[in-house]
Amino acid sequence: AQSVTQPDIHITVSEGASLELRCNYSYGATPYLFWYVQSPGQGLQLLLKYFSGDTLVQGIKGFEAEFKRSQSSFNLRKPSVHWSDAAEYFCAVGARGTYKYIFGTGTRLKVLA
Amino acid sequence: DTGVSQNPRHKITKRGQNVTFRCDPISEHNRLYWYRQTLGQGPEFLTYFQNEAQLEKSRLLSDRFSAERPKGSFSTLEIQRTEQGDSAMYLCASSPARTQETQYFGPGTRLLVL
Repeated sequence: AQSVTQPDIHITVSEGASLELRCNYSYGATPYLFWYVQSPGQGLQLLLKYFSGDTLVQGIKGFEAEFKRSQSSFNLRKPSVHWSDAAEYFCAVGARGTYKYIFGTGTRLKVLA
Repeated sequence: DTGVSQNPRHKITKRGQNVTFRCDPISEHNRLYWYRQTLGQGPEFLTYFQNEAQLEKSRLLSDRFSAERPKGSFSTLEIQRTEQGDSAMYLCASSPARTQETQYFGPGTRLLVL
């Protein structure tokens, strides 16, 4: 079955600390992978995406993610977190020829001043 | 590029009433999607249009739900005889018809059924 797992429901980090949010997927086809961020009461903003090629992708707001096929993972990282990064982060998977994304349940990030 | 817009942003209704939401996609995007997001969950796919054709409906979309995209531009999602379980955020997204497509989401319509 196709699925996306975000094992951490909540993560708390101090401002300036590094961040890694985990995402594992189960998908039959070669996946397209996405990270979105959602602030309270808002829609989803695309942070970054992976279709093919270089497995380390850069996104907006200083985020990056690494695709590891052997581990079926696409973890999101940021070297130094800012208070404005507090939000909910969703990993999603799609594929060529499909039109619907499958989302994880999200990780809520809290940033301590 | 004005982004995907959705109206209304919030809707409170009583059980049994009908509600309609509107989505205006990014102008050059011919694919449009509806998702539903309940509290503490990620978005779940509801339905998908390419131009005016509705190409798939999820099993989540009961017969009380209907979506249209009459001219291949904006779309409406109607829920008839609302139930408390319909309370959720309804998200619309659009994308261009390319192989490596990325879906861009609107701000959502939050529905509360009392």
